[in-house]
Amino acid sequence: QVQLVQSGAEVKEPGASVKVSCKASGYTFNSYAMHWVRQAPGQRPEWMGWINTGNGDTKYSQKFQGRVTITRDTSASTVYMELSSLRSEDTAVYYCARNGPIVIMFDAFDIWGQGTMVTVSS
Amino acid sequence: SYELTQSPSVSVSPGQTARITCSGDALPKQYAYWYQKKPGQAPVLVIYKDSERPSGIPERFSGSNSGTTVTLTISGVEAEDEADYYCQSADTTGTFKVFGGGTKVTVL
Repeated sequence: QVQLVQSGAEVKEPGASVKVSCKASGYTFNSYAMHWVRQAPGQRPEWMGWINTGNGDTKYSQKFQGRVTITRDTSASTVYMELSSLRSEDTAVYYCARNGPIVIMFDAFDIWGQGTMVTVSS
Repeated sequence: SYELTQSPSVSVSPGQTARITCSGDALPKQYAYWYQKKPGQAPVLVIYKDSERPSGIPERFSGSNSGTTVTLTISGVEAEDEADYYCQSADTTGTFKVFGGGTKVTVL
């Protein structure tokens, strides 16, 4: 079945970087874009950016521009999100989410990973 | 920056109807999507393109658009529908995605 499996929880010190992976299975990887969304405790979800898994093009939220990098490894059907210069406010659950078939769903996030908790603390 | 505004909470009895609204200036131009979020679980898409329902989502979930406001309606609410619901859309260019603040649906 179609699923996205993310890497495990991370604890990082302020100023460090974190790299979260998202492995896709059950569908043609490079036919669907992938987004990253985070949700801090008690906050609304925040869209961080997305990657065209076919050609590698990316677009980032202005809030995270310069700190976030989204990449993909087509041979491993895996997308990565790296966030640098971490601060306590970056403590959140990070999700990858597949963009559904554009012709049918346009920009819906139709499949989500299970989430990765990233804690930033000294 | 562009924001979507939702009412914070709705309480309904089983079998009643819950209506959740989401407002935003770009909604006349951009589709809205709705996600159900339960504690400890990933979000689930319940409505796409304002009013379309993905396969596997019960018919009691429906969506509508009336200009700058979109509405998620849950008809005949069941206990399992208790969750946070988030609307999502994009800015006028369609480039940058944005979520609403969420509405907590409590089933009495």
